[in-house]
Amino acid sequence: DTGVSQNPRHKITKRGQNVTFRCDPISEHNRLYWYRQTLGQGPEFLTYFQNEAQLEKSRLLSDRFSAERPKGSFSTLEIQRTEQGDSAMYLCASSWGQAIEHNEQFFGPGTRLTVL
Amino acid sequence: RKEVEQDPGPFNVPEGATVAFNCTYSNSASQSFFWYRQDCRKEPKLLMSVYSSGNEDGRFTAQLNRASQYISLLIRDSKLSDSATYLCVVPPPYNTDKLIFGTGTRLQVFP
Repeated sequence: DTGVSQNPRHKITKRGQNVTFRCDPISEHNRLYWYRQTLGQGPEFLTYFQNEAQLEKSRLLSDRFSAERPKGSFSTLEIQRTEQGDSAMYLCASSWGQAIEHNEQFFGPGTRLTVL
Repeated sequence: RKEVEQDPGPFNVPEGATVAFNCTYSNSASQSFFWYRQDCRKEPKLLMSVYSSGNEDGRFTAQLNRASQYISLLIRDSKLSDSATYLCVVPPPYNTDKLIFGTGTRLQVFP
């Protein structure tokens, strides 16, 4: 399977715990994106990387959230001190792009987080 | 005003019907527009890009009205397999990779 993969697919945690999700993009893609989706809503942009550089972070990404893409390949999204409001589907997407041109983003299956 | 607004539906239509969804956007400088499709419990997938006055792909037609700041998606001859949520996406003009999604419009096609 050469698509975007995400692990784990499901995560249940207790409030206050830290969680980390991983995203493996399509191998030749230089851009990687994180989105969050709650029931009945469209995905919300969180942050994105071009290679290893984090280029933009949404206001939604509080200081409890941190994302990395250390070698420009896979990425991790960590949430510290989880809150019930963090319960959502966390989607990763990747694309190949240069400069300001838009290229199709391919989404992974998501990690569903439930905070009890 | 939300950046991208859609009627959440659901739209319940019989097979063979024609159905249209509208989406309004707030930033008049936006240049790129997309429709994504999301099946239940699945990831979004690009359905169509709308770069100019509109485009057509088989049974699907997307139109852009810049003056009124809305885009539409028309589905002709609906199939059961068209049942899904259709997400309108309008990135900001300064960064077309930052996808801004509407809430999505749910379509249910029945036999």
